[in-house]
Amino acid sequence: AIQLTQSPSSLSASVGDRVTITCRASQGISSALAWYQQKPGKAPKLLIYDASSLESGVPSRFSGSGSGTDFTLTISSLQPEDFATYYCQQFNSHPRTFGQGTKLEIK
Amino acid sequence: EVQLVESGGGLVKPGGSLRLSCAASGFTFSSYSMNWVRQAPGKGLEWVSSISSSSSYIYYADSVKGRFTISRDNAKNSLFLQMNSLRAEDTAVYYCARVNPYGSGSYDYWGQGTLVTVSS
Repeated sequence: AIQLTQSPSSLSASVGDRVTITCRASQGISSALAWYQQKPGKAPKLLIYDASSLESGVPSRFSGSGSGTDFTLTISSLQPEDFATYYCQQFNSHPRTFGQGTKLEIK
Repeated sequence: EVQLVESGGGLVKPGGSLRLSCAASGFTFSSYSMNWVRQAPGKGLEWVSSISSSSSYIYYADSVKGRFTISRDNAKNSLFLQMNSLRAEDTAVYYCARVNPYGSGSYDYWGQGTLVTVSS
């Protein structure tokens, strides 16, 4: 199974900061990667698919990049509603796997 | 409006069985692959199972293979997860999720989840 390793596991930042979360795959997955945001008690929300495509309705301050084994999610200017946990997921092969998550907290 | 509503969760003893359902509306259910994803309390997301639109392709996580069965009824716009031989480590919120038609397999809509608790 393909393993996804996110870094950091947690992150403290302030409103207005630029934040980058990375996701590394244990083997190449082309661009078959998505990013989700999850808030406590809620279902995950799709932000980015195919590594860099912005899901409809998602603010443009979110962006994704990468291919192969190394991927990043960037939030250009943090807003109060962005404090949440973020997960990457690969779709290159089964079993589908998620990263362990990155918890973004207010500094 | 796309809606996915899970039901069937609850408290069950180790070794017991439970059947989860996911009622879909607001889209042509029979055209989409569907999935179950779970989240143990305080833990991350874990993919459980996938089923293609016509049930031709079915996949399971190793952790549930041989114990769980995914199925669907396209006439009733419903997805199911039959869970047998349940273990304490199966305790989680179970989400159904739709495959994004514009992506390579990401999940664009999720239900609100149903909690399964396996405990004696």
